[in-house]
Amino acid sequence: DTAVSQTPKYLVTQMGNDKSIKCEQNLGHDTMYWYKQDSKKFLKIMFSYNNKELIINETVPNRFSPKSPDKAHLNLHINSLELGDSAVYFCASSITGNTEAFFGQGTRLTVV
Amino acid sequence: QQQVKQSPQSLIVQKGGISIINCAYENTAFDYFPWYQQFPGKGPALLIAIRPDVSEKKEGRFTISFNKSAKQFSLHIMDSQPGDSATYFCAASNRGGATNKLIFGTGTLLAVQP
Repeated sequence: DTAVSQTPKYLVTQMGNDKSIKCEQNLGHDTMYWYKQDSKKFLKIMFSYNNKELIINETVPNRFSPKSPDKAHLNLHINSLELGDSAVYFCASSITGNTEAFFGQGTRLTVV
Repeated sequence: QQQVKQSPQSLIVQKGGISIINCAYENTAFDYFPWYQQFPGKGPALLIAIRPDVSEKKEGRFTISFNKSAKQFSLHIMDSQPGDSATYFCAASNRGGATNKLIFGTGTLLAVQP
């Protein structure tokens, strides 16, 4: 039983393209997150959603647009991809008020 | 601004030895301190966590020691095994409300030699 699942696992694309990453959780959590892990493995929060409402936006370029169609899904769309966007993107979820977060397997994005 | 500082960056321990990773935080509003374990190609997985009302928490071979006055906490892995080889992240958060978020340390790459 996969708790937090992301697709795709790998994504290789050219500069300037637009791409999306999808995330789904079956834990019944009501808060979902996107984290970015850079080449030095530093993990930093990008966004969080609570019951489909954007709660945290950590000064991420507006080329990144999260969308939450329901509380079990959180997608990330990235426009006009740049070389610096290459990283591993993790989706995570938790119960509101409880930061015991469960992470997905990650999506390794490579922009060439 | 790095709110959670973690050291060392990497650590090599012999099988059976004790691995110790240290973290320090700045924000006194933090009230939840988890440790995450990450294997290559996988997402971080919660290993053990502590709240500031206790000074120590033990789960199997893993122990968190917490010093509230010094704003420091550490992970001790007893009887380290090759299977423990992974990257370990400390983190901190303020659990109140929907705006809580995990602030991660910079990670420690642990290698346990057989």
